Amino acid sequence: GDSVTQMEGPVTLSEEAFLTINCTYTATGYPSLFWYVQYPGEGLQLLLKATKADDKGSNKGFEATYRKETTSFHLEKGSVQVSDSAVYFCALNYGGATNKLIFGTGTLLAVQP
Amino acid sequence: EAQVTQNPRYLITVTGKKLTVTCSQNMNHEYMSWYRQDPGLGLRQIYYSMNVEVTDKGDVPEGYKVSRKEKRNFPLILESPSPNQTSLYFCASSSTWTSGKETQYFGPGTRLLVL
Repeated sequence: GDSVTQMEGPVTLSEEAFLTINCTYTATGYPSLFWYVQYPGEGLQLLLKATKADDKGSNKGFEATYRKETTSFHLEKGSVQVSDSAVYFCALNYGGATNKLIFGTGTLLAVQP
Repeated sequence: EAQVTQNPRYLITVTGKKLTVTCSQNMNHEYMSWYRQDPGLGLRQIYYSMNVEVTDKGDVPEGYKVSRKEKRNFPLILESPSPNQTSLYFCASSSTWTSGKETQYFGPGTRLLVL
């Protein structure tokens, strides 16, 4: 079945370091891909999305490109801040009746000053 | 402010005592759903609703009920809670449901402990 695999965390970085969080997916069709972020004690917020192959989603300095050939949607940021510390979830969705987001297990990012 | 609200945010209860977690959205969204979040498992869909009076089971519906009598509200009911329902619960909504491209908006979560 369809699934999303994320790199294990936690990821610990110093402020201003480069961030990559890997995400690969298994899909029978052509889903939309999402990154959601969960700050401590809060719900999930959409960070960025891409709805077709080769699309690049971007927001708040974060970027991810929908790569069909490698079935990947890696999250990157050039210079992280302490305020980026959160759990990041990669997800896919085909829509239809269930409109179900299929999530990875999440990656905890801790940024140290 | 556009938002999804859930109540209560935290709940401790005992096995078998019926409870309801409320969810409300103020965006006139057609679609609503419930997820549970467990360590190492990510989020899994419990139930979803495509519109008023239209609901269906997600991946982990056992032990849960829902209703959608009004467009804005989608309560989650645990008729006889058990310890394996201890989890963090999220309600989500989106304007439509057909393409899968729409942003889904999540509530702040309800942390439930069943003793």
